[in-house]
Amino acid sequence: DTEVTQTPKHLVMGMTNKKSLKCEQHMGHRAMYWYKQKAKKPPELMFVYSYEKLSINESVPSRFSPECPNSSLLNLHLHALQPEDSALYLCASSQDWGQGDEQYFGPGTRLTVT
Amino acid sequence: KNQVEQSPQSLIILEGKNCTLQCNYTVSPFSNLRWYKQDTGRGPVSLTIMTFSENTKSNGRYTATLDADTKQSSLHITASQLSDSASYICVVSASFGNEKLTFGTGTRLTIIP
Repeated sequence: DTEVTQTPKHLVMGMTNKKSLKCEQHMGHRAMYWYKQKAKKPPELMFVYSYEKLSINESVPSRFSPECPNSSLLNLHLHALQPEDSALYLCASSQDWGQGDEQYFGPGTRLTVT
Repeated sequence: KNQVEQSPQSLIILEGKNCTLQCNYTVSPFSNLRWYKQDTGRGPVSLTIMTFSENTKSNGRYTATLDADTKQSSLHITASQLSDSASYICVVSASFGNEKLTFGTGTRLTIIP
């Protein structure tokens, strides 16, 4: 199984809402990532988890809160977002972090903040 | 600053024709270079990954080349199909340790019947 799954596929939320994005992989990968992608732009790294610990936070605003409950799951908790946070949020995983391993991407969650 | 530049930004070709996409990078120290295909609104899917010592790699109708001396890569698509319409992203990884990927801005390829 070389699949990374993400739910939901689409999410519309108001600026006062709290919601969560979920990502799951069953490839035994120890590194998981969150990326943000705006239209016609390349993905931008947000967070990296390695062995369930946060390794990289690319100066992401605190209204985005990642969580790694176990080695197969990665969540992104959203609170008090702004309209400019509307984007495609991609989750990825790789065997390890910092070893040049290939990253497998999920299909993404299309987020719209109203 | 690590950078990856791709050309052309967009390309339209007839179904059945071949095409070549270009990637130039200034990532250092170099670890590997990947080509991804991304359909609109979907996550990127890996096509090839090449390390410093590899200068060509194929995946079906996709053939990637790498010239580590000139820091250039190309992706050649043979006998294009309508399903090849997508964005193709060149991604370069710096050497091991605190690895981050540098993404190119992509080439938007459209195949017309």
